[in-house]
Amino acid sequence: AQSVTQLGSHVSVSEGALVLLRCNYSSSVPPYLFWYVQYPNQGLQLLLKYTTGATLVKGINGFEAEFKKSETSFHLTKPSAHMSDAAEYFCAVSDTGNQFYFGTGTSLTVIP
Amino acid sequence: EAQVTQNPRYLITVTGKKLTVTCSQNMNHEYMSWYRQDPGLGLRQIYYSMNVEVTDKGDVPEGYKVSRKEKRNFPLILESPSPNQTSLYFCASSSTSRTGRYGYTFGSGTRLTVV
Repeated sequence: AQSVTQLGSHVSVSEGALVLLRCNYSSSVPPYLFWYVQYPNQGLQLLLKYTTGATLVKGINGFEAEFKKSETSFHLTKPSAHMSDAAEYFCAVSDTGNQFYFGTGTSLTVIP
Repeated sequence: EAQVTQNPRYLITVTGKKLTVTCSQNMNHEYMSWYRQDPGLGLRQIYYSMNVEVTDKGDVPEGYKVSRKEKRNFPLILESPSPNQTSLYFCASSSTSRTGRYGYTFGSGTRLTVV
């Protein structure tokens, strides 16, 4: 089974500052990689995904992530945090089958 | 609108009283799954179904049952709920042939409290 590690269960940034949420995975084959966002009292929404092709992936709300195979990483970034970005973020990995493996989540707080 | 619908959104029940959380999707997806979300543990898979009448255990199946009699519905059954099943539950679905590439569509969640 694959595993997903999200470093930092809680991250706080100031409004306007860079957002960096870390995700590392274990995989012996090229995986499919996802970031989901969960706003308070809501379900999970797909933020962005990497399947094939360009390793820098752009998602909704100004977020992007870069697949680095040599580092087995898929870190999520946003140049300038907004108050509305406060949420729980989950990294997930899927192999070529149907199983998803989620990280334990990172709660992002944006300080005004 | 393509969606996964869970009901109820909130439920408080007593220990031992059987309950069912319903999940329905309108996307003709073959694959459906149930997760529970707990602080510090992220999402853990309870059961999944590859298609009608095909179900299998996930990582934390104890105390739960599921059924898949129709393609669109995948109810989660707690025969005798206990307080350690207090959690936030999510149903998710995807096209079997495309889960890896397109990911899941999630329901809005069911917050269950067992007292």
